[in-house]
Amino acid sequence: DAGVTQSPTHLIKTRGQHVTLRCSPISGHKSVSWYQQVLGQGPQFIFQYYEKEERGRGNFPDRFSARQFPNYSSELNVNALLLGDSALYLCASSSDRTYSPLHFGNGTRLTVT
Amino acid sequence: TQLLEQSPQFLSIQEGENLTVYCNSSSVFSSLQWYRQEPGEGPVLLVTVVTGGEVKKLKRLTFQFGDARKDSSLHITAAQPGDTGLYLCAGASLGNQGGKLIFGQGTELSVKP
Repeated sequence: DAGVTQSPTHLIKTRGQHVTLRCSPISGHKSVSWYQQVLGQGPQFIFQYYEKEERGRGNFPDRFSARQFPNYSSELNVNALLLGDSALYLCASSSDRTYSPLHFGNGTRLTVT
Repeated sequence: TQLLEQSPQFLSIQEGENLTVYCNSSSVFSSLQWYRQEPGEGPVLLVTVVTGGEVKKLKRLTFQFGDARKDSSLHITAAQPGDTGLYLCAGASLGNQGGKLIFGQGTELSVKP
């Protein structure tokens, strides 16, 4: 079975622009979470979606938004990009079982210049 | 705000040495997971511990969850160059239905032959 897939793998944007990142979960997984990983740090939680509903939101500004589609794939949108948004954006899917581990994609490396 | 303090941040050792990575918090977690991340890839789950005092072994890796479920450790015996990577601990809050994890800053391990 295919793992979590993310696109694009790399992206370069200019300050003030908008970006959309995409994620396809493992087949059968209904939960998708997004994390931001700045170089040298651990991942930081941005959003969780389950069955197209937002289940959790981390401490990120309103410039960050996400949605989940009927096929459980997800998009992360970031508006008005800042230099500090440069990071690896990770998507993870999981089943809804208790203590279910997260299965991560390889991320999208976003560079804002 | 829940935090996980991970130490050491960097570790460079010779092949065959033993090492321990610590993960501490003032908060109680329902479960704690350890991940390993290699450059250009997403984190991959190593183990999940859920019971206070629990010890799990995975070949040369031993994971322990503190009695109060506030801390955890990862011990590697006879480290090998293939163990090189970023080790991350991640806690799930009480009542968390999955998807949202609090990550430590990570331990960058380098094992030299």
